[in-house]
Amino acid sequence: EAGVTQFPSHSVIEKGQTVTLRCDPISGHDNLYWYRRVMGKEIKFLLHFVKESKQDESGMPNNRFLAERTGGTYSTLKVQPAELEDSGVYFCASSRDGWDPENTEAFFGQGTRLTVV
Amino acid sequence: DAKTTQPTSMDCAEGRAANLPCNHSTISGNEYVYWYRQIHSQGPQYIIHGLKNNETNEMASLIITEDRKSSTLILPHATLRDTAVYYCIVSYHPNTGNQFYFGTGTSLTVIP
Repeated sequence: EAGVTQFPSHSVIEKGQTVTLRCDPISGHDNLYWYRRVMGKEIKFLLHFVKESKQDESGMPNNRFLAERTGGTYSTLKVQPAELEDSGVYFCASSRDGWDPENTEAFFGQGTRLTVV
Repeated sequence: DAKTTQPTSMDCAEGRAANLPCNHSTISGNEYVYWYRQIHSQGPQYIIHGLKNNETNEMASLIITEDRKSSTLILPHATLRDTAVYYCIVSYHPNTGNQFYFGTGTSLTVIP
């Protein structure tokens, strides 16, 4: 079974540019999560999709960040325009069932390292 | 904010059991205890989770105290590849699914 896949693995962009990160969850997982670690700080939750719907986006830092999951399969996270403080590692995770505690373990991708210069 | 307290760092001799403690005194009745680890800059790796009973899988054992205010992750025979940051997380939101608060974790170093 393929794991969670994220593209690209690294991205270096200039301040003010736009970057789009992609996440392909494990097949059959309805729940998809975005997290990030910036400036060596703790890993922080950004948002949670259930299929194509945003279930919880309380962790999104501001309106420069837009996440989509059209069709309930892969998800994209767009940063527009990027700022220096957006540099960090963005992780995507998926889980089979967000409501059944016995099946809520989330599996993470390897992350996208974003550097804004 | 993280709802758990873990030691900042620990050492363990290779081949010995690594016992990683976690305090979660404010855990609520429907919250599970999850353990993840992060090796270098890889994505967090799921290890185990449980509610109140002790759990064991191929990677580790999870011992939860009867009052559920603390737990211990046990790696029975630590290897050098187990060197990582280990995160103890309590979470479960019945209405919104799961959101994990990672905290700072315990940096485990397995010594040859």
